[in-house]
Amino acid sequence: QVQLVESGGGVVQPGGSLRLSCAASGFTFRTYGMHWVRQAPGKGLEWVAFIHYNGDKKYYADSVKGRFTISRDNSKNMLDLQMNSLRAEDTAVYYCAAGIEWFDYWGQGTLVTVSS
Amino acid sequence: NFMLTQPHSVSESPGKTVTISCTRSSGSIASSYVQWYQQRPGSSPTTVIYEDNQRPSGVPDRFSGSIDSSSNSASLTISGLKTEDEADYYCQSYDTINRIFGGGTKLTVL
Repeated sequence: QVQLVESGGGVVQPGGSLRLSCAASGFTFRTYGMHWVRQAPGKGLEWVAFIHYNGDKKYYADSVKGRFTISRDNSKNMLDLQMNSLRAEDTAVYYCAAGIEWFDYWGQGTLVTVSS
Repeated sequence: NFMLTQPHSVSESPGKTVTISCTRSSGSIASSYVQWYQQRPGSSPTTVIYEDNQRPSGVPDRFSGSIDSSSNSASLTISGLKTEDEADYYCQSYDTINRIFGGGTKLTVL
């Protein structure tokens, strides 16, 4: 069955960096667009970033543009999110999700806490 | 960018029918598909409606979706409410670059 397993979350100080990963299985990863979506504690869902199936197109929410970088390795069925210059408002559960205009599959999420 | 506005919360009794609205702030609701996601406490979201009114396999036909161009809104209707339907529901649409979520509606079944 489809599995998306995120890792790399943790506690980081403001201004710091963190790299999230998502391991995909159970579907043809190389044919799917992939996203990162986040959810701050007690809040709603916020789309963060998208990468085209072959990596040639990348889109970002204005809130993370210039600080976050999405990437993928289709040979390893892996999706990454490099997060730099982290702020308190980046504190959230980060989900990886498969799809293009919407989200067919979701991971279980990994918690990122930005705090001093 | 446009916004999607949902009611903060709705409540209804088991066995009844509830409708959750999702209003698009600018541009036509029909210009891009609307999806609906269910998120139970402590769990990841799951899709209950895609492409305005399509149900993924495994989603009961008690769940239905529609759009209304006159009000520029989409709706999720759940009939024959069960206690297990109690969850947060999010509508979602998109433009060329952005994927946009509504703020979410907490459904209480009491």
